[in-house]
Amino acid sequence: QVQLKESGPGLVQPSQTLSLTCTVSGLSLTSNSVSWIRQPPGKGLEWMGVIWSNGGTDYNSAIKSRLSISRDTSKSQVFLKMNSLQTEDTAMYFCASLGFAYWGQGTLVTVSS
Amino acid sequence: DIQMTQSPSSLPASLGDRVTITCRASQDIGNYLRWFQQKPGKSPRLMIYGATNLANGVPSRFSGSRSGSDYSLTINSLESEDMAIYYCLQHNEYPNTFGAGTKLELK
Repeated sequence: QVQLKESGPGLVQPSQTLSLTCTVSGLSLTSNSVSWIRQPPGKGLEWMGVIWSNGGTDYNSAIKSRLSISRDTSKSQVFLKMNSLQTEDTAMYFCASLGFAYWGQGTLVTVSS
Repeated sequence: DIQMTQSPSSLPASLGDRVTITCRASQDIGNYLRWFQQKPGKSPRLMIYGATNLANGVPSRFSGSRSGSDYSLTINSLESEDMAIYYCLQHNEYPNTFGAGTKLELK
């Protein structure tokens, strides 16, 4: 059974760096890509980036300079790091895989001092 | 970046109605178009992939179609459980881009 689960700090101060983890089970990261998507409260979905089965990445050009996606295949984990956080980065952050057929439950990140 | 123009933003409808939501792509995306349903407090659910293919477990009253650069999601005979926000997503090019969403609600 495929499952994804996001985890992270919940609250981040402005200008700081966000670190999130997506832990997957039931699928291999060396055979499948994982995407990150975010959703500000009451707003739409924004695709952030993807890490491919070969470890390559693609990012949303709007946040590319601040974003990094990596992984640890031995732990079945995918990591998102985004720096210089601002209040507009407050959102629910999701990871998804298998052609967006499987999503985590999301983790809410609030950027506030 | 490819823009996905989704309409309408809000769609009041009655149970039993047939409704259609449309996304127009600013560039050719072939059939690299997916539709998602999202209910409050939940993760999005894949409904349609490849523009016209029903995802696993999705009721047959849902269907997807394409006419040129216009992609449509149609729901026949609306049920109460269909009230949600629907999003399209193009994944032909990076960055992938979502439509702004359509809120389907009871009239």
